[in-house]
Amino acid sequence: QKEVEQDPGPLSVPEGAIVSLNCTYSNSAFQYFMWYRQYSRKGPELLMYTYSSGNKEDGRFTAQVDKSSKYISLFIRDSQPSDSATYLCAMMGGSNYKLTFGKGTLLTVNP
Amino acid sequence: DTAVSQTPKYLVTQMGNDKSIKCEQNLGHDTMYWYKQDSKKFLKIMFSYNNKELIINETVPNRFSPKSPDKAHLNLHINSLELGDSAVYFCASSIRGANEQFFGPGTRLTVL
Repeated sequence: QKEVEQDPGPLSVPEGAIVSLNCTYSNSAFQYFMWYRQYSRKGPELLMYTYSSGNKEDGRFTAQVDKSSKYISLFIRDSQPSDSATYLCAMMGGSNYKLTFGKGTLLTVNP
Repeated sequence: DTAVSQTPKYLVTQMGNDKSIKCEQNLGHDTMYWYKQDSKKFLKIMFSYNNKELIINETVPNRFSPKSPDKAHLNLHINSLELGDSAVYFCASSIRGANEQFFGPGTRLTVL
């Protein structure tokens, strides 16, 4: 079983839709949970991070962590064509501060 | 005022050759990383240096050798390139222990 599992998609939605992206993990040592966004032919950039179970909101984006189920989600409200990108979940735990990424989900928001 | 820069952006070479990729960051961070992203977009850590000291060394063939001349630079040298080395290589930097890593634009390596 991989440490971090993420459905690669692709996911195609109309503009204005609510998007739900998810990851599961198996390593109980993970304490920090992040979502990175990667536009085509660019490097990933941090979108959101959280370190506790519950929800964290930032504008149209909400990150959700359920440590008991080892499940994290990213919700995008009122999705825009500019949200079209690959979304990678990432997790960190342990003394070497290593980031473990999911495989990424390719999202396309159609105008 | 580029934060993390890599050179070259594209690299096309023949099997068996030796090549280097360079990375520089001007963010004042103390930790730098090399990642490999394969054709399926899977991003995997290869190495990490903190203050010029190797702190993460994943299961990577010893044909890959990182070098950090100072905190702001991390280079990657690859010997005897193979077809399977074709990928995008990303450099990143952070303050050690911080959640956010800043990624460079990537170096797209194609081995023919």
